[in-house]
Amino acid sequence: DTGVSQDPRHKITKRGQNVTFRCDPISEHNRLYWYRQTLGQGPEFLTYFQNEAQLEKSRLLSDRFSAERPKGSFSTLEIQRTEQGDSAMYLCASSPGQYMNTEAFFGQGTRLTVV
Amino acid sequence: AQTVTQSQPEMSVQEAETVTLSCTYDTSESDYYLFWYKQPPSRQMILVIRQEAYKQQNATENRFSVNFQKAAKSFSLKISDSQLGDAAMYFCAYYDYQLIWGAGTKLIIKP
Repeated sequence: DTGVSQDPRHKITKRGQNVTFRCDPISEHNRLYWYRQTLGQGPEFLTYFQNEAQLEKSRLLSDRFSAERPKGSFSTLEIQRTEQGDSAMYLCASSPGQYMNTEAFFGQGTRLTVV
Repeated sequence: AQTVTQSQPEMSVQEAETVTLSCTYDTSESDYYLFWYKQPPSRQMILVIRQEAYKQQNATENRFSVNFQKAAKSFSLKISDSQLGDAAMYFCAYYDYQLIWGAGTKLIIKP
């Protein structure tokens, strides 16, 4: 296992288009997190899954954002009708335990640029 | 709501010297976890060290140690014998059911 994998690494899209990102967590990690990070800032929580169940969504996550984790394996994050303010790094992390006191492993992120 | 504050946007240190990065947080909880993460340029976030609030002993990982002051809600990171590979953004984070992050401190290592 090579760690958390995110695809694509970079995405440039025109405003108004839909985009989808994929995250493959480390095998058998139960928890999967999505964060958004803008330049010069710390990550902001978007949502997380315990296996296939989406347990929490941030108020930052507008109805244009949706995330899934079918079968509790990989996850996708879709942004519909993208806006320039959506430009950011989208980070995925997974952890093995039920509680975040266990180490969270991060992917390299997907950098989205909306033009 | 819990908040995490890192008051130093940038710090620099001479190679082989010691540097301390500051972090304060606000919470009404008594039991929680605190973390320091490192994010090298164009690379993924890596856990540096973690502290459990119910443990009074400060966590240590090789050259990295923390000064955890629960009453003051302070959680600083000390890096001893700084190396060029330590150059990165360092983020302090508080765990509730999800990680709440500070804005980060950019650490520059001078050769």
